[in-house]
Amino acid sequence: AQSVTQLDSQVPVFEEAPVELRCNYSSSVSVYLFWYVQYPNQGLQLLLKYLSGSTLVESINGFEAEFNKSQTSFHLRKPSVHISDTAEYFCAVSGNTGGFKTIFGAGTRLFVKA
Amino acid sequence: EAQVTQNPRYLITVTGKKLTVTCSQNMNHEYMSWYRQDPGLGLRQIYYSMNVEVTDKGDVPEGYKVSRKEKRNFPLILESPSPNQTSLYFCASSPQGWETQYFGPGTRLLVL
Repeated sequence: AQSVTQLDSQVPVFEEAPVELRCNYSSSVSVYLFWYVQYPNQGLQLLLKYLSGSTLVESINGFEAEFNKSQTSFHLRKPSVHISDTAEYFCAVSGNTGGFKTIFGAGTRLFVKA
Repeated sequence: EAQVTQNPRYLITVTGKKLTVTCSQNMNHEYMSWYRQDPGLGLRQIYYSMNVEVTDKGDVPEGYKVSRKEKRNFPLILESPSPNQTSLYFCASSPQGWETQYFGPGTRLLVL
């Protein structure tokens, strides 16, 4: 069985401060890891993903995440946030368990204050 | 434009009245999936489909049915809706099961 835990339900932060959104997972098979972002009243869109290769992955808008197999984590970081980063962020895991179920975390609401 | 469409976007119905939410993608994706989103619970997978005529249960399949007769369409059927199925529903598609999923705009369902 697979599971995903997002350790913070809400993260308030001031503009231009760094932020880390934490994600831990458990799985009995090799996994593919994703961060999706949901802006208010919108659907989800991919922020970044780890499929294989380099364990550090980056998005086009300055976010990065590092796959840590020993700690089963995939934390999301940004060195300096903007007001426009205010959104809900979801960590997700997919693995071949005979099919490809996808498990999402409960989400972390990032609120960037001026 | 590459997209996933869902209809209707909003639906109010009563307990027991069968309904169908349609989902269609124009990207020739193999994998399609349905999720429900509830506050504090994130997204939970209802059903997914690896290909035409191949469907499988996600984590919360009870009370739902799906079919995949064509590659582009993946309708979600609630045979006898109940108030605990009030939720925001998302359809998604992906080239393969392990790849990025592209989400539809969502369907907000209220069952009275």
